[in-house]
Amino acid sequence: GAVVSQHPSRVICKSGTSVKIECRSLDFQATTMFWYRQFPKKSLMLMATSNEGSKATYEQGVEKDKFLINHASLTLSTLTVTSAHPEDSSFYICSARDTRYNSPLHFGNGTRLTVT
Amino acid sequence: GQQVMQIPQYQHVQEGEDFTTYCNSSTTLSNIQWYKQRPGGHPVFLIQLVKSGEVKKQKRLTFQFGEAKKNSSLHITATQTTDVGTYFCAGQGTSYDKVIFGPGTSLSVIP
Repeated sequence: GAVVSQHPSRVICKSGTSVKIECRSLDFQATTMFWYRQFPKKSLMLMATSNEGSKATYEQGVEKDKFLINHASLTLSTLTVTSAHPEDSSFYICSARDTRYNSPLHFGNGTRLTVT
Repeated sequence: GQQVMQIPQYQHVQEGEDFTTYCNSSTTLSNIQWYKQRPGGHPVFLIQLVKSGEVKKQKRLTFQFGEAKKNSSLHITATQTTDVGTYFCAGQGTSYDKVIFGPGTSLSVIP
């Protein structure tokens, strides 16, 4: 089945630093990838839709300058949390669909970000 | 914008009892998907429903999509401890683009 690889799985950083999270579709091409954020015991909140070769579409209330998304190829999207603060600590999950088949979402394993 | 609601938020059942979670969308959906997330894990796809009134079964799990394509349900018969986790419904509008998740129902099964 379709596999989405997300790295790193866990990262601890200091306030003010930037963190990059990678999301790769391993056996299919994904023109669109989605970035979600999940707080403990809460649902997945869509942050942005990452589009290959064009600008990402951000959901209302999500700062695009804070959460930089780059989708440079059909298999890779990156999310960079810039100038991280403790309130950015969360679980970030990427997902992708095999658009050839209008498939459901395939999720990466997520990244646990802790900002100290 | 599109909103997806889900009830109940939590459900505690005795092993062997049945369990149902209900999902409602504020707008008509093109399809609805169900995911299960175990504690500490990531969401895992269970099923996708596309047709109005569709019913699908996976062993002890029964999924329904409403006639108006705005609501859905997941029913588990004779729960087992392996069913523990949070069940999310997720809807896609007619754009076939973003998927919006409901708040989830957290299921606990008491052995």
